[in-house]
Amino acid sequence: GNSVTQMEGPVTLSEEAFLTINCTYTATGYPSLFWYVQYPGEGLQLLLKATKADDKGSNKGFEATYRKETTSFHLEKGSVQVSDSAVYFCARSAQKLVFGQGTRLTINP
Amino acid sequence: DAGVTQSPTHLIKTRGQQVTLRCSPKSGHDTVSWYQQALGQGPQFIFQYYEEEERQRGNFPDRFSGHQFPNYSSELNVNALWLGDSALYLCASSPPAQNYGYTFGSGTRLTVV
Repeated sequence: GNSVTQMEGPVTLSEEAFLTINCTYTATGYPSLFWYVQYPGEGLQLLLKATKADDKGSNKGFEATYRKETTSFHLEKGSVQVSDSAVYFCARSAQKLVFGQGTRLTINP
Repeated sequence: DAGVTQSPTHLIKTRGQQVTLRCSPKSGHDTVSWYQQALGQGPQFIFQYYEEEERQRGNFPDRFSGHQFPNYSSELNVNALWLGDSALYLCASSPPAQNYGYTFGSGTRLTVV
């Protein structure tokens, strides 16, 4: 079936640490892949996307590469900040978005 | 340029009542999708509207229905509310013929008591 599996949280890091949040997907065909971020009490904001294999999406220091061979789209950031604390959702799309369960990230100063 | 606008932002309803949520899509977008996000969970797809027709539907009962108007705005209706319908309801719009240009609204927080 079509699904998205994310690394379970919560994840707690210190400021300036390296971040990886794992995401794998199953799908027929070649979906577009996304990372969305949700701050407390708010809706979803698109963080980055990749629409075909080997594409790298990047934004605000975050990166993720569409890996068809491993069906993965892991989110990385080299040096996190307190302001990055939020819930992160991986998603895939054919004609609708299918989301992972979310990973809550907390960055301590 | 306004993004996706949802109303109301919060509301409280009693079990058995009916509710209507509203969504205005981003300018230039013609497709509207609705999602339900329970506390601590990822959003779940309810349905999608295009050209005033329901194009796709997720695994939700018939108590959930929708409508899209000629100006592309949309409503989500839920009848016979259950306590389990308490959630954040998110609307997303997307432009013609794209499967990656989704823009989300801030959501409507529905509490059923």
